[in-house]
Amino acid sequence: KAGVTQTPRYLIKTRGQQVTLSCSPISGHRSVSWYQQTPGQGLQFLFEYFSETQRNKGNFPGRFSGRQFSNSRSEMNVSTLELGDSALYLCASSDRDRGNEQFFGPGTRLTVL
Amino acid sequence: GENVEQHPSTLSVQEGDSAVIKCTYSDSASNYFPWYKQELGKGPQLIIDIRSNVGEKKDQRIAVTLNKTAKHFSLHITETQPEDSAVYFCAASVANQAGTALIFGKGTTLSVSS
Repeated sequence: KAGVTQTPRYLIKTRGQQVTLSCSPISGHRSVSWYQQTPGQGLQFLFEYFSETQRNKGNFPGRFSGRQFSNSRSEMNVSTLELGDSALYLCASSDRDRGNEQFFGPGTRLTVL
Repeated sequence: GENVEQHPSTLSVQEGDSAVIKCTYSDSASNYFPWYKQELGKGPQLIIDIRSNVGEKKDQRIAVTLNKTAKHFSLHITETQPEDSAVYFCAASVANQAGTALIFGKGTTLSVSS
């Protein structure tokens, strides 16, 4: 099976812009979670989607949003970018029917200038 | 909410030695504890996990132990090899119908020298 894929792998934006990141889960996995990784804060949970519904949400401002499509692919959007949004954004997929294991993609490196 | 502490932040060992990384968690409702290995430029890779109804789990050179009373769990790597060098993260979660939001420790950078 192919792993979790994320596009794009690298992105450079300027303050105030918005960005959309994409994640395709492992085939058959219907749950997708998003995490932000920074040197200072480490890995932090953003949100989780299952069957097109947000099931869990971390402690991030409303500028961070996401959605999931009927084919389980997910997107996350960050509006009004700030310098502090520079991070590696990781997507993880899991098969809820088979346990809680989350499998991560390679991430999207976002740089905000 | 859940808080996960991980120690040490860096660990250097000689090839063939054992390495131990320890984590503590705060939420007694947490019932799922995975460990991830992250190499440079890659996403975290699940290497082993344990659920709260089990005290120990082993997979070849890697083992994890869980003490629910003390709320801590540890990763043990035996016969370390240079390819074990990476950043290791522990995580804790309350896995239920609502989902599984992993709360991560800050990571341990393991260096194995030959």
